[in-house]
Amino acid sequence: KQEVTQIPAALSVPEGENLVLNCSFTDSAIYNLQWFRQDPGKGLTSLLLIQSSQREQTSGRLNASLDKSSGRSTLYIAASQPGDSATYLCAVGDSGTYKYIFGTGTRLKVLA
Amino acid sequence: EADIYQTPRYLVIGTGKKITLECSQTMGHDKMYWYQQDPGMELHLIHYSYGVNSTEKGDLSSESTVSRIRTEHFPLTLESARPSHTSQYLCASSESLGEAYGYTFGSGTRLTVV
Repeated sequence: KQEVTQIPAALSVPEGENLVLNCSFTDSAIYNLQWFRQDPGKGLTSLLLIQSSQREQTSGRLNASLDKSSGRSTLYIAASQPGDSATYLCAVGDSGTYKYIFGTGTRLKVLA
Repeated sequence: EADIYQTPRYLVIGTGKKITLECSQTMGHDKMYWYQQDPGMELHLIHYSYGVNSTEKGDLSSESTVSRIRTEHFPLTLESARPSHTSQYLCASSESLGEAYGYTFGSGTRLTVV
C-alpha cells in the first residue's frame, strides 16, 4: 500500500532563507507527483506537477524534483517570504490504484 | 480565477438536518472527487466519480452519498447530520488519469454540526 510521508512536519524560518521540503513515498510505481499549497481553512492550490518521466519542474521561486527510484521528491523555495507561510502537501498518483495519495503536509512559517 | 466552485463556503447546522454540499466545475473534467479533512490532519478520499452515472466510495467510510447526473456537477448529501460530521469537505476534479493530469481543488466547505 502506497504511503506518503513529509518531513519536517513544521518549519519556521526567517525571511529570505532558501528552504527544502521533503516528500517520500514507499512505492515507486507512480504516474505523477503534485505539490500543493493550503492556507488555513482553505482549499488546495496546485504549485507544480511532475510527470513520472520528468526529473524536475520550476515555477518562479519554486523548484520541485522527483527521484522515483529512491521514492523521493523535494520542493525548493528560494528567498522565502512571509506570504509563503502555509501548509505544503505532496500527492502521488499511484499507478496501481490510479488514486492520489496525500502526505500529511509541512506547515511552514516564514518570519518577517 | 477558480474553475471549480463549492457552496456554501461555511455551514453551521443542527443535528438531524439534511444537507447538500455543492460542487461544480467548468472545465469539462470527467473525474471528480470528494475529500474530508479535519483541522491539521491529512486528506481522506470519501467519494469519487469517473463520469456521469458513475460513483464509487473512497478509502474512508462516510455516511454521505453523492450523485453525478451531469458532468459538471457532483453534490454530496448527508441525510441526517451529526456532530461527528463536522469537518472540512474539499471537492476536486481532473481531466483524466495519467502523467500529465493533476487535480484542481475547490475552496472547500467548512461544516459544523451543532
